[in-house]
Amino acid sequence: DGGITQSPKYLFRKEGQNVTLSCEQNLNHDAMYWYRQDPGQGLRLIYYSQIVNDFQKGDIAEGYSVSREKKESFPLTVTSAQKNPTAFYLCASSITGGLDTEAFFGQGTRLTVV
Amino acid sequence: AQSVAQPEDQVNVAEGNPLTVKCTYSVSGNPYLFWYVQYPNRGLQFLLKYITGDNLVKGSYGFEAEFNKSQTSFHLKKPSALVSDSALYFCARIIPSNDYKLSFGAGTTVTVRA
Repeated sequence: DGGITQSPKYLFRKEGQNVTLSCEQNLNHDAMYWYRQDPGQGLRLIYYSQIVNDFQKGDIAEGYSVSREKKESFPLTVTSAQKNPTAFYLCASSITGGLDTEAFFGQGTRLTVV
Repeated sequence: AQSVAQPEDQVNVAEGNPLTVKCTYSVSGNPYLFWYVQYPNRGLQFLLKYITGDNLVKGSYGFEAEFNKSQTSFHLKKPSALVSDSALYFCARIIPSNDYKLSFGAGTTVTVRA
């Protein structure tokens, strides 16, 4: 099945730890996105990437890092510098150009600091 | 300025009545506009999009939206709401001439009562 997969579904982090959220897509999409969702805040863009080996900061990039070494993969690392990491994280992908530019979303990772 | 605005946090309607969820966007180039729906603890599902052409676009589950350039709006509508339409709805925008940054509104919670 074609799609976008996020793992794990639930993740617990201790104070001061770095954790990495996985996002993989087999849709051959060029663009990939990471969003953070908090109650009442909607979706806030953390990082996005249009092509391999290139990515841009979104609106709330501080305390996060990403890599785009392969077209299929866009992992997000939540570093210890992120002071309030508890949230629901969503990954998305889309093509760029043409008319079929709607984004496809993974099922999300819920990160909790313990 | 916020690129996409959803002025209503919540919309409540009775089943069988018309449903409207409002969205306005800031003017910048020729935007691509999207509507997504989210059910609890899930990723977002694509409903419909405006790229070019007819201002009235039809999407999944009987939803439609009208692109109004003079009012910079893209309101989501459904003639007869169902209880199963109760969910969180997001409007989103891409500026394709820019960098394909996909920005979302804050979301509107729709509750359809039986």
